[in-house]
Amino acid sequence: EPEVTQTPSHQVTQMGQEVILRCVPISNHLYFYWYRQILGQKVEFLVSFYNNEISEKSEIFDDQFSVERPDGSNFTLKIRSTKLEDSAMYFCASSEQGIDYSPLHFGNGTRLTVT
Amino acid sequence: AQSVSQHNHHVILSEAASLELGCNYSYGGTVNLFWYVQYPGQHLQLLLKYFSGDPLVKGIKGFEAEFIKSKFSFNLRKPSVQWSDTAEYFCAVNANSGGSNYKLTFGKGTLLTVNP
Repeated sequence: EPEVTQTPSHQVTQMGQEVILRCVPISNHLYFYWYRQILGQKVEFLVSFYNNEISEKSEIFDDQFSVERPDGSNFTLKIRSTKLEDSAMYFCASSEQGIDYSPLHFGNGTRLTVT
Repeated sequence: AQSVSQHNHHVILSEAASLELGCNYSYGGTVNLFWYVQYPGQHLQLLLKYFSGDPLVKGIKGFEAEFIKSKFSFNLRKPSVQWSDTAEYFCAVNANSGGSNYKLTFGKGTLLTVNP
């Protein structure tokens, strides 16, 4: 079964550094998402991306965050200047159609630790 | 804005016991409802979903869930759990408002431990 793959599985960075989290969605999927889960808290929506643009973002997704689909296969999340509170598990997901019609498929996640 | 509540943080059962995990959501309109499972060290996987139609939905691995609109609930059930069901279970909702079709709102999750 096709999978969403994320790299790296664990990223440690110092506060103020930029990080890029990488994701390869399922190849025929058109909608892409980032979610995060701070330890002990809910899985939270960050951003969705369709047709090469952001379709929706949460209040968490401020100017420090950006997403990009640099080629036909990768979908990246960049955090420009990391803060301690950005430490979390970041999940990429993709879906064939919108959530109304098809479910999300999640990757294994990237654990980001900001020190 | 929609929100999801899962009442149990940690449930511990013995094998063959019956399971019911509670999920309530708050949103006045039409919703799509989901249960996801995360086995240790693995990614979130879809267990089952409700979009419309029969409010009793069956998913993989013998799980089912019932949508009760009047109670804003979507409880997950399994008649007889196995050790391999040990995992974290997440209820999620998408408000089918014609506007926000992109965002899933998750509950905090329920950790299920099944003892052999």
